[in-house]
Amino acid sequence: GAGVSQTPSNKVTEKGKYVELRCDPISGHTALYWYRQSLGQGPEFLIYFQGTGAADDSGLPNDRFFAVRPEGSVSTLKIQRTERGDSAVYLCASSLNPGGHETQYFGPGTRLLVL
Amino acid sequence: GESVGLHLPTLSVQEGDNSIINCAYSNSASDYFIWYKQESGKGPQFIIDIRSNMDKRQGQRVTVLLNKTVKHLSLQIAATQPGDSAVYFCAENRNNDMRFGAGTRLTVKP
Repeated sequence: GAGVSQTPSNKVTEKGKYVELRCDPISGHTALYWYRQSLGQGPEFLIYFQGTGAADDSGLPNDRFFAVRPEGSVSTLKIQRTERGDSAVYLCASSLNPGGHETQYFGPGTRLLVL
Repeated sequence: GESVGLHLPTLSVQEGDNSIINCAYSNSASDYFIWYKQESGKGPQFIIDIRSNMDKRQGQRVTVLLNKTVKHLSLQIAATQPGDSAVYFCAENRNNDMRFGAGTRLTVKP
């Protein structure tokens, strides 16, 4: 596709449920990033993939959060036993190559609401 | 200014005027800086970037200035248009670890 796509665009779930959020990066981009954005704040880094492997998962808040990218393209962010504090916009970004000077292009985000 | 909770710093300008949005960054080791624009309900959109070996970079209607001495970044938008209304974030990147500032809400009055 022309840009990063994310599905679903909105997700409402109940406390304690499991959710999966999907990211489709720009075709050919080897690096993929997940961020979380709370209302009125900038995005906060969660995890970064280089190819299929998680190169840096230091931003994941706890072990309820997990992400995969099995074929080096699409990625899924998984949240177990959701809590109300998990409500936020989850953003995915991709860059052509890994590296500190590569531009990251963002998707529209998935708005997660945990009731 | 600083944001507290939901209260983003705001800048209101008249259409056609120039806008200057400021940002302080935290890490003197950061070597790459980016400005993003985020409209309501959308993801951040890349505007312009600058490496630490430069102090100024110009794009179409936008200019980014970097002052490493005081760890300050600014975004200048020339002839601001209503379509420029959005939240603007600066970001500093070091080794794929990108940290965003709190954001500034720009409102353009017709």
